[in-house]
Amino acid sequence: DIQMTQSPLSLSASVGDRVSITCRASQSISSYLNWYQQKPGKAPKLLIYGASSLQTGVPSRFSGSGSGTDFTLTISSLQPEDFATYYCQQSYTTPRTFGQGTKVDIK
Amino acid sequence: EVQLVESGGDLVQPGGSLRLSCAASGFTLSSYWMHWVRQVAGKGLVWVSRINNDGNTTNYADSVKGRFTISRDNAKNTLYLQMNSLRVEDTAVYYCATEDGRAFQHWGQGTLVTVSS
Repeated sequence: DIQMTQSPLSLSASVGDRVSITCRASQSISSYLNWYQQKPGKAPKLLIYGASSLQTGVPSRFSGSGSGTDFTLTISSLQPEDFATYYCQQSYTTPRTFGQGTKVDIK
Repeated sequence: EVQLVESGGDLVQPGGSLRLSCAASGFTLSSYWMHWVRQVAGKGLVWVSRINNDGNTTNYADSVKGRFTISRDNAKNTLYLQMNSLRVEDTAVYYCATEDGRAFQHWGQGTLVTVSS
């Protein structure tokens, strides 16, 4: 199985900050990397697919980059509604696997 | 509006069975692979199972293989997860999700399964 490792597992930031979360795959997954946002008590929401493609309706302050084994989710200017947990996930092979999640909270 | 609604979650004793359902509306279920993903309270997302468009190919996480069965009824626009020989460690919120081969675009709201004596 492909292991997905996120860092950091938590971070504190202020509104307006630029935030980056990294995700590393245990083997190359090309660009088959997706990012999700989850708020407490809610289902996950797709933000980025194919490493860098923005899902319809997602604000442009979210962006993704990377290929192979190393990927990054960046929020250019953190907004109050962005405080949540973020997960990466590979869709290169089955079983689909997720990172541990990165909790972004208010500093 | 695209919607997935899970049901069937309940409190069940270890060794018991449950069948979860995921009803789709606003789109044609047969257009997508379908997945079940679970989440223990306060923990991360864990993939459980996948079924292809016509139901002929299924995959399972090792932790549920031989105990859980995924199926679909495209005519009813509904996905199922039959869960047998349930264990305490199966306690979680179970989500269904669509996939077009790239990512999980649509998710249900989740249904809670609690396995406890």
